[in-house]
Amino acid sequence: DQQVKQNSPSLSVQEGRISILNCDYTNSMFDYFLWYKKYPAEGPTFLISISSIKDKNEDGRFTVFLNKSAKHLSLHIVPSQPGDSAVYFCAASSGDNAGNMLTFGGGTRLMVKP
Amino acid sequence: KAGVTQTPRYLIKTRGQQVTLSCSPISGHRSVSWYQQTPGQGLQFLFEYFSETQRNKGNFPGRFSGRQFSNSRSEMNVSTLELGDSALYLCASSKGVPVGELFFGEGSRLTVL
Repeated sequence: DQQVKQNSPSLSVQEGRISILNCDYTNSMFDYFLWYKKYPAEGPTFLISISSIKDKNEDGRFTVFLNKSAKHLSLHIVPSQPGDSAVYFCAASSGDNAGNMLTFGGGTRLMVKP
Repeated sequence: KAGVTQTPRYLIKTRGQQVTLSCSPISGHRSVSWYQQTPGQGLQFLFEYFSETQRNKGNFPGRFSGRQFSNSRSEMNVSTLELGDSALYLCASSKGVPVGELFFGEGSRLTVL
């Protein structure tokens, strides 16, 4: 039973355009959400996070949107750059007691074409 | 500053053997988490240690165990290896807060034959 799902295994966009990566979750106890990106042969790298008390968080070219009623979050990258090509994972946490016990989605491979 | 260091990077074992993986966290980080990555199951949480105490444990059998030392370095052990234990084992460290902002190592790739 996947509690965090990324339904698109891959996404291809043109350099300079917007990339939108989506993530759905089922567990109502999740209250903190994160995005990680992973290059081949490297560990995942933290990108951006959002608390359930917010619906948007922005950091430079990266913006995460949270729709609690739909149990959906998305990551927007604007403008997309070839160096953004990587696998992106969304992850969720259920409160302070969960510590760093994250539930990850299956990942979306983003390819940004020059 | 130095990142999270995992050793060994690659190893091959046979069924029934046991394996110990090591992780050195970023200096000053007191939390160490372990995750298993496989093509079929993705990234799955194994356990987290904070100040030498196991804070959380994922849904893995008792063959998977870990510990943390006073210098925050951590080891995980898998006993009686099965073919399905073949995976990339990732260690991540953090200060503890904010929750979830982890710094991952490059992983230890275990192949069980």
